[in-house]
Amino acid sequence: DTGVSQNPRHKITKRGQNVTFRCDPISEHNRLYWYRQTLGQGPEFLTYFQNEAQLEKSRLLSDRFSAERPKGSFSTLEIQRTEQGDSAMYLCASSSTVGNGYTFGSGTRLTVV
Amino acid sequence: AQSVTQPDIHITVSEGASLELRCNYSYGATPYLFWYVQSPGQGLQLLLKYFSGDTLVQGIKGFEAEFKRSQSSFNLRKPSVHWSDAAEYFCAVGVGGGADGLTFGKGTHLIIQP
Repeated sequence: DTGVSQNPRHKITKRGQNVTFRCDPISEHNRLYWYRQTLGQGPEFLTYFQNEAQLEKSRLLSDRFSAERPKGSFSTLEIQRTEQGDSAMYLCASSSTVGNGYTFGSGTRLTVV
Repeated sequence: AQSVTQPDIHITVSEGASLELRCNYSYGATPYLFWYVQSPGQGLQLLLKYFSGDTLVQGIKGFEAEFKRSQSSFNLRKPSVHWSDAAEYFCAVGVGGGADGLTFGKGTHLIIQP
């Protein structure tokens, strides 16, 4: 068990560019969550997968955001046409059962310049 | 919708002193309750969780929390803090069913004085 892995750790991009982040959950966990955390705030829920099915999306997840979890293993979060307001830490978490306490990755810090 | 309030943005405690971090939640039924700790630039580590049963929950690193339904609170405590406890602490609520993510408070920044 190597924990939840997120890549890259840091990403700097120019406004208007597309970016993609990857999350590898704990292998036996079937639930995967994406959160966004801005400076001085707690994480905010973005979306949730059970296996490969995306079951819930927050209204924070605008049309420019898309997440996938092909084959129910790793997940990707893509942001198209990035804006400065997208600058944040993007956290991934996984869980094996309902409310069992999510294991978080170290996050991907996005800076849009 | 559920919400979480952590009234203290910053708390300063002397090393060796006791600690209590406050958390109040808003939800119509009994939620799942969590405390996480985050060091700078890192992800979140689970300290403890409450689902049901004994309202006093023991966690890692010597932390405990008590669920008080009448006060809608889930305060985190530690009898004697160490310099390594300096971090950001987040209280979170989950409403079960698996389809909902966690709702976090804004966090409390803990500073340890020597």
